[in-house]
Amino acid sequence: QLQLQESGPGLVKPSETLSLTCTVSGGSISSSSYYWGWIRQPPGKGLEWIGSIYYSGSTYYNPSLKSRVTISVDTSKNQFSLKLSSVTAADTAVYYCARLVFYQLLPYNWFDPWGQGTLVTVSS
Amino acid sequence: SSELTQDPAVSVALGQTVRITCQGDSLRSYYASWYQQKPGQAPVLVIYGKNNRPSGIPDRFSGSSSGNTASLTITGAQAEDEADYYCNSRDSSGNPLGVFGGGTKLTVL
Repeated sequence: QLQLQESGPGLVKPSETLSLTCTVSGGSISSSSYYWGWIRQPPGKGLEWIGSIYYSGSTYYNPSLKSRVTISVDTSKNQFSLKLSSVTAADTAVYYCARLVFYQLLPYNWFDPWGQGTLVTVSS
Repeated sequence: SSELTQDPAVSVALGQTVRITCQGDSLRSYYASWYQQKPGQAPVLVIYGKNNRPSGIPDRFSGSSSGNTASLTITGAQAEDEADYYCNSRDSSGNPLGVFGGGTKLTVL
């Protein structure tokens, strides 16, 4: 059974860079038709897609965050990572990683499974 | 880019049927996926594609689509269905860009 687990600091200072890693177990991150995504949820608010990466390194980012986001993949460790620079209090959120099942010829895709999420607070 | 719009809150009497909707231009070309999120928990996929349920999801959950609107229907709502529900679809470009609706809080009365 595929499982994802987020890890990283729970507290980041304003203007610094938030760094999180998602470890994939029970399956290979190099499988075709799968992207790997980051989604966040500020306290009491809805879900916001941050970006997705393919095992080859191909990435797609939310245009509203693109200037501050870098997502990378390490296939040897079965991990992918998120870096969000110049953080402010508005970046305080629960950050989730998830597998994105994507078939180009199918008119749909879906996120499944999800990690349990990790709360990152931006505060001095 | 694309936006998906959901009603903020919907209520249903126990055992009755409720429909949660999601509107957006991208839904004219792509099906939505639906996620259930209970307090303090990660979202769980409940519907994807035209009307596909992952293993373990009760068959009272179903999906449909018409024009620019996708719908999640719960037939015979149970107390445990009280949760936030989010729709998701591709961006209109067709690339794997994720777009989420704002979420609908379902209350089971």
